[in-house]
Amino acid sequence: ELKVEQNPLFLSMQEGKNYTIYCNYSTTSDRLYWYRQDPGKSLESLFVLLSNGAVKQEGRLMASLDTKARLSTLHITAAVHDLSATYFCAVNTGTASKLTFGTGTRLQVTL
Amino acid sequence: DADVTQTPRNRITKTGKRIMLECSQTKGHDRMYWYRQDPGLGLRLIYYSFDVKDINKGEISDGYSVSRQAQAKFSLSLESAIPNQTALYFCATSDLAGGGTEQFFGPGTRLTVL
Repeated sequence: ELKVEQNPLFLSMQEGKNYTIYCNYSTTSDRLYWYRQDPGKSLESLFVLLSNGAVKQEGRLMASLDTKARLSTLHITAAVHDLSATYFCAVNTGTASKLTFGTGTRLQVTL
Repeated sequence: DADVTQTPRNRITKTGKRIMLECSQTKGHDRMYWYRQDPGLGLRLIYYSFDVKDINKGEISDGYSVSRQAQAKFSLSLESAIPNQTALYFCATSDLAGGGTEQFFGPGTRLTVL
């Protein structure tokens, strides 16, 4: 059974600081997704990582995938308040296009 | 207009009642999914469907049933609602032609069972 773990579960950081969210998964997969969820809202797709070594960047967020280590990272550079949200990683199980989600990381960026 | 819509957006019901949540999409995707979200547990897959004739159970299907009325419509039913089915429910779609795994989510239905 595929398990997806994120850490930290909660992150409070000051504006302007850098930090990394980690997503570990337990079985082989070469497709990983990052989503953002604002409170009470739906999930918004941020990044699609489809191969080992893939790196994607959008604004202050950068995601990477290491399939050998079964690890993805979401790096936040010079955080701003607008980045406050919950971030989920999700891994394709390789069968039937199903995704298994991590429990999410709630990011709070303070002034 | 939103590509994936869900109705109702909020629903309060009583234990033992039958309730149906509906999902419609205009994305033309062939695959549709139902998830529930509980605090601290992330999203868990209830059912998924690859086409009108292909419906599959997810990890937490007990107490739920689904119907794929058309390519664009996928409904989730709770035959006899219980309080621990109180949660936020999301419908999602994906496109086989696009690789089939990136999923696009509806706005969610907040269900409360008293």
